[in-house]
Amino acid sequence: ETGVTQSPTHLIKTRGQQVTLRCSSQSGHNTVSWYQQALGQGPQFIFQYYREEENGRGNFPPRFSGLQFPNYSSELNVNALELDDSALYLCASSLEIRSDTQYFGPGTRLTVL
Amino acid sequence: AQSVTQLGSHVSVSEGALVLLRCNYSSSVPPYLFWYVQYPNQGLQLLLKYTTGATLVKGINGFEAEFKKSETSFHLTKPSAHMSDAAEYFCAVRGGDNQGGKLIFGQGTELSVKP
Repeated sequence: ETGVTQSPTHLIKTRGQQVTLRCSSQSGHNTVSWYQQALGQGPQFIFQYYREEENGRGNFPPRFSGLQFPNYSSELNVNALELDDSALYLCASSLEIRSDTQYFGPGTRLTVL
Repeated sequence: AQSVTQLGSHVSVSEGALVLLRCNYSSSVPPYLFWYVQYPNQGLQLLLKYTTGATLVKGINGFEAEFKKSETSFHLTKPSAHMSDAAEYFCAVRGGDNQGGKLIFGQGTELSVKP
């Protein structure tokens, strides 16, 4: 069984650009959540996808959007990047929406200049 | 609503000493509680979790935590620290199903282990 993977590992963008981060969930996991972890902080919930539909969203603006695909992969898209978007972005998959355990990937470090 | 407070952003212990990382939570529903560990430049690894049943929970690497409802606490302990335990530790509570079951994290506690 493979774990959760994310790509790319690191990314540098400039203010105003758009970025797409990718996540591959564990096989059979139909729920994926995305978190933003700013330097020195705990992760903050961005949103969750269940069977390709958004199911729950944190306090993030609409320029943060996502997609989930039938092959257990997902994307986080951020438009109009701001300096404060610099963070580690983590995805976490779980077997079912009511599962109590989320399995985290290694994260993508995004730097916005 | 749920929230988590981790007391102490940095804890330093000597190798072989007791590790105690403090976590208090607030939850409007029976809580599911978690401890995660994060090594530098890595994602989060689940150490242990409490959902229901026995209040003393044992996890990986010799860690354990006790759920105390009356104190709204879920402190993490390890009898004897090892150098490899140096990392960032996060306590988390699970949000309700109407919140997508999201995890709500504390600010983290950085554990240093001195030789």
